Amino acid sequence: DAGITQSPRHKVTETGTPVTLRCHQTENHRYMYWYRQDPGHGLRLIHYSYGVKDTDKGEVSDGYSVSRSKTEDFLLTLESATSSQTSVYFCAISERSGGTIYFGEGSWLTVV
Amino acid sequence: AQSVAQPEDQVNVAEGNPLTVKCTYSVSGNPYLFWYVQYPNRGLQFLLKYITGDNLVKGSYGFEAEFNKSQTSFHLKKPSALVSDSALYFCAVRPTGGDDKIIFGKGTRLHILP
Repeated sequence: DAGITQSPRHKVTETGTPVTLRCHQTENHRYMYWYRQDPGHGLRLIHYSYGVKDTDKGEVSDGYSVSRSKTEDFLLTLESATSSQTSVYFCAISERSGGTIYFGEGSWLTVV
Repeated sequence: AQSVAQPEDQVNVAEGNPLTVKCTYSVSGNPYLFWYVQYPNRGLQFLLKYITGDNLVKGSYGFEAEFNKSQTSFHLKKPSALVSDSALYFCAVRPTGGDDKIIFGKGTRLHILP
């Protein structure tokens, strides 16, 4: 398994609170991604990073921000959580552009 | 718009029979194509990919996929299904010449019946 650790793995939070999910990798891969998985939608890209401090938006970036201050860590922040952000969040990494991406085990987030 | 389609939400196959999970894509250029499998409450696991070369790609767990450029398809196959193959399967495509984003299909749930 690729060395990807997501934390927390499970979280319940209240509407309006900020939430940060952390992805930590030990592979020294340049690219890191955050996806969300929802029934009927498959996986949708939220944000991705192509290097330290280099990030870009995906297709569902509204309400989310990211930061990458070190190669190994990619943080996803929900600035003010809403019920529509209840989902499973997956971090993924890739060594190079177009390379195979490898996924973490997921973070289950419930916003009540 | 660039997209990936998995036309079947669910596929049921008897154990021991061959299986096919379909994927078609609509992207520019010569894309990279991937298949992933997801077991319950787990992350996605890489099965195989096509970049160039032989149209038949072999991957993990006895799976293979056939790239068909004229039909813009990349169907996943296995000659003899196992009950343990029951899972959610995702096709993904990375368009070439563009950004680094990979587009995923919505997934096909495969049920292998004992």
